[in-house]
This record gives sequence, C-alpha cells and structure tokens, in this order.
Amino acid sequence: GAGVSQSPSNKVTEKGKDVELRCDPISGHTALYWYRQSLGQGLEFLIYFQGNSAPDKSGLPSDRFSAERTGGSVSTLTIQRTQQEDSAVYLCASSLEGQAAAYGYTFGSGTRLTVV
Amino acid sequence: AQSVTQLGSHVSVSEGALVLLRCNYSSSVPPYLFWYVQYPNQGLQLLLKYTTGATLVKGINGFEAEFKKSETSFHLTKPSAHMSDAAEYFCAVSGQGAQKLVFGQGTRLTINP
Repeated sequence: GAGVSQSPSNKVTEKGKDVELRCDPISGHTALYWYRQSLGQGLEFLIYFQGNSAPDKSGLPSDRFSAERTGGSVSTLTIQRTQQEDSAVYLCASSLEGQAAAYGYTFGSGTRLTVV
Repeated sequence: AQSVTQLGSHVSVSEGALVLLRCNYSSSVPPYLFWYVQYPNQGLQLLLKYTTGATLVKGINGFEAEFKKSETSFHLTKPSAHMSDAAEYFCAVSGQGAQKLVFGQGTRLTINP
C-alpha cells in the first residue's frame, strides 16, 4: 500500500481480555517494527522483524505480549490478559531492508489502546 | 549502545519567535540522527536526518538541525514559529550496523499567539 496501515485506530477493552493489533506495512518493506508510546514515556521499542530472520523480541515487556508476521507482510501484535498499564498508543513502522539505520522508518498512525 | 536525551518535555514559544529543541545523544559508533514530528492523533513524520556530510541539515517546514560531534548534540531550530508547528517532536539515533532507531522521550512544543 501507499503507507503503513494500522487497525483498529482505537480499541477499548476490558481488563483481562486479549487484543490483537494489526499492521500492514508499505509494500516491499521487509523490516517491520512495533513501538509503544505511553504518556510521558516516549517511544518504547517492542519487537523488530527483518525478512526471514528471527525477530528481535528484546523489547517485549512481558510474556503476555507476542507478535507474528505472516508471509513477510502483515503483522499482528497480541496482548493477552490486558492490564491497565497496557493502555498506550501502539505504533508500527516499516523500512526497506537494511536501510532503517540510515533512512529511518515510515510510521503508521497507531492504535490507541485503552484498558478499562 | 545508543541513547538520546531530549532536554525539556515541554517547550512554549510565542508565534514568530525562535524555536530551539534540544537533543543530546550517546553512541558507540558514528551516529545517524533523526528528528520526527507527531501531530495530534497521527503517526510520526520524518522532519530531517543526518547521516554523513554537511553537519547542518535542512528539513521540511523550515526546520533545521546541526550535528555537533564535540557536544554530542543535534538540536532542532526554526527561526520563526508558526501556530501549525505545535506538535510533539522526537529525536532518534541509530548508526551503521544498527538495526533500529532509539528515540528520546519527546518534547511537546506549544505556540502562543
């Protein structure tokens, strides 16, 4: 697609429920990143996918968080048993292989998750 | 390892005044530096970047930033603020061989009429 697409744009869920957030990167971008933006916390790296390599999961805050990327394109971030502290904006970004460091990312508009 | 510190979580300036947003970085390799802007309810948009070459880089909307290796800084400036500049600004660092960008905490810019 023309840009990075994220859905839903807003999600309200009850504490303890599972949620899935979707990211559709720019066509041809093999690198995909998930970040979390919490109030006053800046952007927190969660996970990074690059082609067929094993993902870098070093930023996932707990085992309730997981992500997959199917067919090298669409990615889904899953949060199980949501907690109130999971409330944040979840941002997805993509880049061409090997170029993120020098060219930066293209970001989606994010999913605002509210856990009540 | 790399890190970014943005001095001032909130900056307020008058319309027409100079905008100065501060960013200092730490990097064990020659850095690549970025400024992103985030308007309300939107994703982040690249303002400008420095990789190599000229240390004064110009970006969109009249913004520019200067890489100063001796000061490990990459401050963002704009000579005359406009109301439409009100947004959150993020500084980020990466480097050759890095797989991802490391972001600062962000600075919220408010423009007073």
